[in-house]
Parts: sequence; C-alpha cells; structure tokens
Amino acid sequence: DGGITQSPKYLFRKEGQNVTLSCEQNLNHDAMYWYRQDPGQGLRLIYYSQIVNDFQKGDIAEGYSVSREKKESFPLTVTSAQKNPTAFYLCASNPGGASYNEQFFGPGTRLTVL
Amino acid sequence: ILNVEQSPQSLHVQEGDSTNFTCSFPSSNFYALHWYRWETAKSPEALFVMTLNGDEKKKGRISATLNTKEGYSYLYIKGSQPEDSATYLCACDYGGSQGNLIFGKGTKLSVKP
Repeated sequence: DGGITQSPKYLFRKEGQNVTLSCEQNLNHDAMYWYRQDPGQGLRLIYYSQIVNDFQKGDIAEGYSVSREKKESFPLTVTSAQKNPTAFYLCASNPGGASYNEQFFGPGTRLTVL
Repeated sequence: ILNVEQSPQSLHVQEGDSTNFTCSFPSSNFYALHWYRWETAKSPEALFVMTLNGDEKKKGRISATLNTKEGYSYLYIKGSQPEDSATYLCACDYGGSQGNLIFGKGTKLSVKP
C-alpha cells in the first residue's frame, strides 16, 4: 500500500529529553511537511522540505530540527528547547510542492511531555 | 499574518439533513484553496483543490464553491449520513511554488442517526 507512516502513535517524554518522530512515505513525493496541532487551533507548519538534503523553517520552527537524507524519510526532532512540546504532530507529503497538488497526510503522533 | 477562518466551529445535524459551512480567507495574493475531511483516528483526506473564482467541485453528496474576489468558500453536504461525521479543514496557499498551506481551525460535524 502506498502512503505515509508515522511512528510511534503515542509518545511520552520526560522534560529535558530530545525525542525524534518518524515519518516515512513510499509515494515517491519530493516535498514533505511537518505540522503541529494544538487544541482549538489550526495546523501550523514547523518545517518543510522540497527536495532531499534541503529543508526550510515554517512558522513555528523554534525548538525543532529535521533532516532529509533520503527522499522517503523526514524525521522531526523535538528538542529540549521547545517550551511546550505536548501536541499532536502530523507529517504530510506532496508530489511536487505546488499548492494545487493535494497534500497526503500520515496518521499522526501524539507527544506528551511528563 | 494571514488568517483562514472557518465557521461554525462545530455542527450537529440529523441524518438526512443537508448542511453547509464556510471558509473565509484574505483574497489578496490568493493562489489555491483545499478542503480536507479528517475523521477521528484517521489521516486527513483531501476532498477538493480549488483555484479559480467561481469554481465548483463535486464528489458524491459533497460539493464546494469558491469566491476568490470576496474571499470565501462554501462546503455543502446533501443528505448527511453518520459516516460524514468528521472535522472539515480548509487550507489556503498564497505563495504557489512551495505548496505551503495556511489552515483554518476546522468545522467539526456530527451527524446523528
């Protein structure tokens, strides 16, 4: 099946620890995105990547880091510098990065900081 | 700061009712608008991508219209069914080349049998 997978589904972290969220796609899409959702808010863009070995900050990149070493993979690291990391995180991909192309979403990871 | 507004925030209807909700957005430099359906415990699923003023799109009982001059889009569901229960997201793009979207907060629809 083609699609986007995110793991784990639920993640618990102690304060002060870094944690990495996985996002893998087998759709052969060039562009990939990370969003964050908080209660009562719309999805907000953290980072995006148009091509392998290149990525750009989104609206709320502080406290996060990413890498794009392979086309299929776009992991997100939530660092200890992120002040309020508890949230739902969604990964998405897009065939060519143009906005008239729909974005395909993964099932999400819910991160809770204890 | 660009703001995409959706109303109402939530909606409860009976099975068989027709319903609609609104997405409002700044019309300046508008490029494209997306509607997504997001069912609980699933991934958001694309419904429509709309770019031109006056666009109308239809998929089964769901349709959408776009007015880029006044900055709004309507999503209509005819004869709502319980399986239509979901959060409907609207997202707009103002840049074009990078595919970055600005999302509204969504309208949560509950359809009672």
